[in-house]
Amino acid sequence: QQQVKQSPQSLIVQKGGIPIINCAYENTAFDYFPWYQQFPGKGPALLIAIRPDVSEKKEGRFTISFNKSAKQFSLHIMDSQPGDSATYFCAASKDQAGTALIFGKGTTLSVSS
Amino acid sequence: GAVVSQHPSRVICKSGTSVKIECRSLDFQATTMFWYRQFPKQSLMLMATSNEGSKATYEQGVEKDKFLINHASLTLSTLTVTSAHPEDSSFYICSATTADRGYGYTFGSGTRLTVV
Repeated sequence: QQQVKQSPQSLIVQKGGIPIINCAYENTAFDYFPWYQQFPGKGPALLIAIRPDVSEKKEGRFTISFNKSAKQFSLHIMDSQPGDSATYFCAASKDQAGTALIFGKGTTLSVSS
Repeated sequence: GAVVSQHPSRVICKSGTSVKIECRSLDFQATTMFWYRQFPKQSLMLMATSNEGSKATYEQGVEKDKFLINHASLTLSTLTVTSAHPEDSSFYICSATTADRGYGYTFGSGTRLTVV
């Protein structure tokens, strides 16, 4: 059972575009929803994270929108740049010490110049 | 900020040998560490969760006798791939967190294991 479903699998946008990546979760006990960026051969790096008590969070060019009733959250990248080309993973975890992050399948983003 | 150091970054070993991967939290005490495995163009799959001083909890389908995890201190966890085979070739990534989640989840830079 896939607990976090991510779409699309891949995405191509032009420089300056706004790619949007979506995730849906099933477990209502999840209360922490981060997004990670990963470059080839590197570990994932935290971009931004949100908890269910807010509907939107913005950090720089990255924005998370969160819909608790629909159990969905999305990542928007404003003014995308070629350097943003990477794989993006959404994840979720429960508010419980020692609980692991569960990852979506990832979205490969290509930003053309 | 929280930093997790993972070594080695790349390792090539012969079939049948064992390989140890280290994961260290440099500036915080990691009460819990997680080990993930990632195949090319795929997501991170949780292999096991280890709490300092306790036996690791393995995910279904992960052979605990093959993937030995030790978390003997609050700053160090090791993953040993025993009797490695080519199918064990993968990218292994550790992650660490504190009991109060003040640092969230911090990831290591990963280890590319190639078994020949």
